[in-house]
Amino acid sequence: NAGVTQTPKFRILKIGQSMTLQCAQDMNHNYMYWYRQDPGMGLKLIYYSVGAGITDKGEVPNGYNVSRSTTEDFPLRLELAAPSQTSVYFCASREDTYEQYFGPGTRLTVT
Amino acid sequence: EDQVTQSPEALRLQEGESSSLNCSYTVSGLRGLFWYRQDPGKGPEFLFTLYSAGEEKEKERLKATLTKKESFLHITAPKPEDSTTYLCAVWEYGNKLVFGAGTILRVKS
Repeated sequence: NAGVTQTPKFRILKIGQSMTLQCAQDMNHNYMYWYRQDPGMGLKLIYYSVGAGITDKGEVPNGYNVSRSTTEDFPLRLELAAPSQTSVYFCASREDTYEQYFGPGTRLTVT
Repeated sequence: EDQVTQSPEALRLQEGESSSLNCSYTVSGLRGLFWYRQDPGKGPEFLFTLYSAGEEKEKERLKATLTKKESFLHITAPKPEDSTTYLCAVWEYGNKLVFGAGTILRVKS
């Protein structure tokens, strides 16, 4: 199993551009999460999903959108990128137990 | 108001010098507390889950304990490969974890 995979690993965006961060898992987990991690701060939840077709906002959803059309994939969309969205983004998934399994992250810079 | 606070922010140890990291939480109905390690440039890696006060879990040189207000991660005779950032997270309700900011551990040989 590859576990949780994320693409791209690095990206530089200009202010106002849009992009989609990809996340996929091959563990057949129903629950999937998107976090951002800024220096000296804990992981902040952006959006999460409890299954295909069901998503909900986390702590910091503004400026982001998600969709969950399949169990495996949970893309995160950034519209009109802003410098405040410069961060490292992590995707995670879990089964019914609460241990979350994380991907390797996407480092995004908005200039 | 911070729900999860980790201390210290950073810790330097000599190889073999045992110590403890602290994770204090203010959630009212704790359903689970989790410890992760995160190496530079990588995603967090799961270590332990603790569900009730008095519970303990061990893995190699690490032992996690839980009280009603805090958790400790005890590191016995650490080695340089234990150098990483240790993250604590709590599950209060629903489907969400709340993470602390982490403790950066450096073990020098």
